[in-house]
Amino acid sequence: GDSVTQMEGPVTLSEEAFLTINCTYTATGYPSLFWYVQYPGEGLQLLLKATKADDKGSNKGFEATYRKETTSFHLEKGSVQVSDSAVYFCALTNSGGSNYKLTFGKGTLLTVNP
Amino acid sequence: DTGVSQNPRHKITKRGQNVTFRCDPISEHNRLYWYRQTLGQGPEFLTYFQNEAQLEKSRLLSDRFSAERPKGSFSTLEIQRTEQGDSAMYLCASSLAIGGEGQETQYFGPGTRLLVL
Repeated sequence: GDSVTQMEGPVTLSEEAFLTINCTYTATGYPSLFWYVQYPGEGLQLLLKATKADDKGSNKGFEATYRKETTSFHLEKGSVQVSDSAVYFCALTNSGGSNYKLTFGKGTLLTVNP
Repeated sequence: DTGVSQNPRHKITKRGQNVTFRCDPISEHNRLYWYRQTLGQGPEFLTYFQNEAQLEKSRLLSDRFSAERPKGSFSTLEIQRTEQGDSAMYLCASSLAIGGEGQETQYFGPGTRLLVL
């Protein structure tokens, strides 16, 4: 079945550091890929998404590129802020299978120190 | 648009009791999903509604679990004879699906945290 693998955390960075959170996936068909973020005490929020190969999703300074050849969707940000501290989840929906449910990775906890 | 709401936000119950959670989706969203999230894990799919029809249930959803979405609006998730292993965060999400597309964005509620003693 479909699966998502994220780099294990926690990740601790200083403010203004570069961030990469790796995400790879296994899926049949043509998945859409998502990054969700969960801030402390809040619900999951969509951060960005990409629906086909080579698409780049971007939002709030975060970017991720859908790489079909490496089955990856790594999250990057050039300069993190303390307010980016949260848990980040990579996820997919798959038009080749159940095209409506999200399959999530385990999440990566990011802590940004001032 | 007030977002997806869930009630209660927290529930503590004793093993063997029944509990019911409610989810109010974003108005006019035709799809509604339930997920379960345990500590240190990502959310796992439980079940899904298109309008009032329940179209898929995960094998995670044992016979003790039942979900309804009468009239295609709010949804309830009931757990009968709760067990300690049911302790988790129960998340609801909704989306607006147009045509046969399945790539629409799901919007999540804040979740109901269940603790079974």
